[in-house]
Amino acid sequence: KAGVTQTPRYLIKTRGQQVTLSCSPISGHRSVSWYQQTPGQGLQFLFEYFSETQRNKGNFPGRFSGRQFSNSRSEMNVSTLELGDSALYLCASSLGGLAGAFETQYFGPGTRLLVL
Amino acid sequence: AQTVTQSQPEMSVQEAETVTLSCTYDTSENNYYLFWYKQPPSRQMILVIRQEAYKQQNATENRFSVNFQKAAKSFSLKISDSQLGDTAMYFCAFMKMEYGNKLVFGAGTILRVKS
Repeated sequence: KAGVTQTPRYLIKTRGQQVTLSCSPISGHRSVSWYQQTPGQGLQFLFEYFSETQRNKGNFPGRFSGRQFSNSRSEMNVSTLELGDSALYLCASSLGGLAGAFETQYFGPGTRLLVL
Repeated sequence: AQTVTQSQPEMSVQEAETVTLSCTYDTSENNYYLFWYKQPPSRQMILVIRQEAYKQQNATENRFSVNFQKAAKSFSLKISDSQLGDTAMYFCAFMKMEYGNKLVFGAGTILRVKS
């Protein structure tokens, strides 16, 4: 079974631009979560999507948004990029089952975004 | 809000020896999960071991085991018979038992296994 894939793997943008990152979950997984990893702030939860609906949200400004498609693939968008948005963006997928279910999240390789 | 603290930024261990990575957390929740994830250099993050808070028995996965002390809010990872492939960043993570996924991570511990 193929793992979680993320595209693109590397991206360079300039301040003020916007960017879209893509995540394809493991087949059969319906939940996709996004995390931002930086040396200063560590790993921080952005949001989670399940069945095309945002189910959880972290403490990030509205410039960070996401969506999920009917095939469970997810995209996240960052508008008006700032230098501080430079980071490794990780997505993770899981089955997305019952409330309180003890599920393992499987991580993708990440997209490394550099904002100049 | 939950917080996870890993007080050891870096550690090193000789091959075949045992090492323990520390993690403490703060929460008012009674039902939650705890995880250790491993992120090798330039490679994907993978789950090492997980623990349900309601279980008193410590989880083990081959050479990896945890010492879960719920009252002390402590969740340490012991790696036995360390191997060169264990070199990685290790993250301790917390998740509330609720509908949905939201991991709260510690800052990580870089573990270097030396030959």
